[in-house]
Amino acid sequence: GAVVSQHPSWVICKSGTSVKIECRSLDFQATTMFWYRQFPKQSLMLMATSNEGSKATYEQGVEKDKFLINHASLTLSTLTVTSAHPEDSSFYICTSGDNSPLHFGNGTRLTVT
Amino acid sequence: DAKTTQPPSMDCAEGRAANLPCNHSTISGNEYVYWYRQIHSQGPQYIIHGLKNNETNEMASLIITEDRKSSTLILPHATLRDTAVYYCIVSLRFGNEKLTFGTGTRLTIIP
Repeated sequence: GAVVSQHPSWVICKSGTSVKIECRSLDFQATTMFWYRQFPKQSLMLMATSNEGSKATYEQGVEKDKFLINHASLTLSTLTVTSAHPEDSSFYICTSGDNSPLHFGNGTRLTVT
Repeated sequence: DAKTTQPPSMDCAEGRAANLPCNHSTISGNEYVYWYRQIHSQGPQYIIHGLKNNETNEMASLIITEDRKSSTLILPHATLRDTAVYYCIVSLRFGNEKLTFGTGTRLTIIP
């Protein structure tokens, strides 16, 4: 149970374009999703918390206008990296906050060229 | 959340028990100890958690000291597939509690 599916698993995009990452809860309803980012050789850092039907809460230093989060349904949260730059290249991971322990998606490797 | 301290890296021979320590001296009474691991380029995988009693499941055992200031994750018979970064995290158990990851321990299983 508590399976979280993330798509795509990897994506390459050109600088200046936008990329959308999906996080789906497959067998439960997710009112809360956590979005993490992981740079090479570093640990996971929480970016934001998305809540179904309301605005996301962003961690300090994360630009909300650049990392758009939509959580319009109880099974889907999306993260859109707008106007991507090479420094946004990272591993993005989501998890639902509705289950304990947390089960994570398999992550999305974003490479911006 | 209470902070945890783990050794940055450890090696273990294949087939032997891997014992991964974690210090969490500022843990509060209602915080649990969680262990996750991350194999390269994958999302973190839940291993085990506990409050104050020792716990065992099909993956590992968790030994928590009586004062709860430290714990040890034990992989009883390590295999090459257990090579990963292991994270010890202290958190409340209830839903909607985000996890704060430290730097973890990079465990390398040696053939």
